[in-house]
Parts: sequence; C-alpha cells; structure tokens
Amino acid sequence: DTGVSQDPRHKITKRGQNVTFRCDPISEHNRLYWYRQTLGQGPEFLTYFQNEAQLEKSRLLSDRFSAERPKGSFSTLEIQRTEQGDSAMYLCASSLVGLSSPLHFGNGTRLTVT
Amino acid sequence: GENVEQHPSTLSVQEGDSAVIKCTYSDSASNYFPWYKQELGKGPQLIIDIRSNVGEKKDQRIAVTLNKTAKHFSLHITETQPEDSAVYFCAASDTGNQFYFGTGTSLTVIP
Repeated sequence: DTGVSQDPRHKITKRGQNVTFRCDPISEHNRLYWYRQTLGQGPEFLTYFQNEAQLEKSRLLSDRFSAERPKGSFSTLEIQRTEQGDSAMYLCASSLVGLSSPLHFGNGTRLTVT
Repeated sequence: GENVEQHPSTLSVQEGDSAVIKCTYSDSASNYFPWYKQELGKGPQLIIDIRSNVGEKKDQRIAVTLNKTAKHFSLHITETQPEDSAVYFCAASDTGNQFYFGTGTSLTVIP
C-alpha cells in the first residue's frame, strides 16, 4: 500500500490558462473522489468514480471542470479557463466500495491562480 | 443534503490535558462517522471512525462517542502531546458514497 499519490504538489498558473492534475489511488481501491479545500474549510465534494464510471458530480463543479478515470485506475482533473476563485487545494481520495469504507486522501495539489 | 457542524473552530490545551471536539449532523440516515487529522501541507489522515451501531470506540489516547438520538458525535484526545497539534475534521456518511465534512478544529497543544 503506497498510498494515494497526487501530482503536481503545487501549481501556479495565470488566469485563463488550463491546468490538469493527476491522482493515482491505492491500487485495490475501486472508488476515487475529488475534493476541493479552501483555507479554514473542510473538504468539499466535487465528484467521484466507481471504477471508470463517474457516478456523481457536485453542483459546485462548473462546466470548466472535467474529470476522467479512463481505465479505472488513475484519474485526471482538468480546469479550463482558470479563475482566481479556483485557487484552492485539490484533494484526491480513494476507498473500497461499501458502507463504512473510509476515504484515504493524498497530499493534494495546491493551485494558485494569479 | 447532510449538514455537519463542528465546534470549536480553535482549541488550545496544555500538554497532558484532554481535548474534546464536537460535531452535530442533520441527516438521521447517516451511519458512519470518521475523524481525520490534517497536518500542514498534507492531506487528511483517518485517525478513528465509528459506525452507528456502536456508542463508543477507543484507540489508545483517542476515543469517539456517538449519540444517535441527539445526532452528535465527539472526539476525545487524552494526555495530549505537541504532535497532536493539527486540524481535525469530522465527517458523516449515509451510504458510503458521499462524505460530508465539518469545518475543522485547529488544535494547539502547548508544551
């Protein structure tokens, strides 16, 4: 168990640019989640996958955000035309399917939009 | 949807004292309650969890209690140490699909 891995750890971009983040979950976990966390707040749900299927998306997730998990393993989160309000920590988590299966988080990607 | 409230937002204790963090939830269907510890620059790490069919669970210096009737659950840390300083989050889940997090408690343990 090597844990959840996220890349990059930090990303600074100019407003209007596109960015893409990658998440590698724990290998035996079939669920993968993306959360956003701003300073002083708890993680806010964005979307989750079970295997390669995207099962739920938050209303917070505007159409500038898209996530994929093409082979049911790693996932990418892309933000198009970034805005300053997108500055946050983007957390990925994975879990097994089932009740009482906890989320295992990566260390996040900190995005700063200038 | 579920609403999880967490108090206090900040907590300072002397080393060796106990710390208590409380959370309330709104959805009676929630049945799984994990607690996470987040250190600076890292993602949240699970420290303890409790299911709705259990009233209390303990793991060394950490314990969690659950009152389903009142819809609240609490984290208790005894004999606090400086390395316990971090931000703690409670969460609630009903189906295991969605997790709703509190706003966090910043705990400082003063040596």
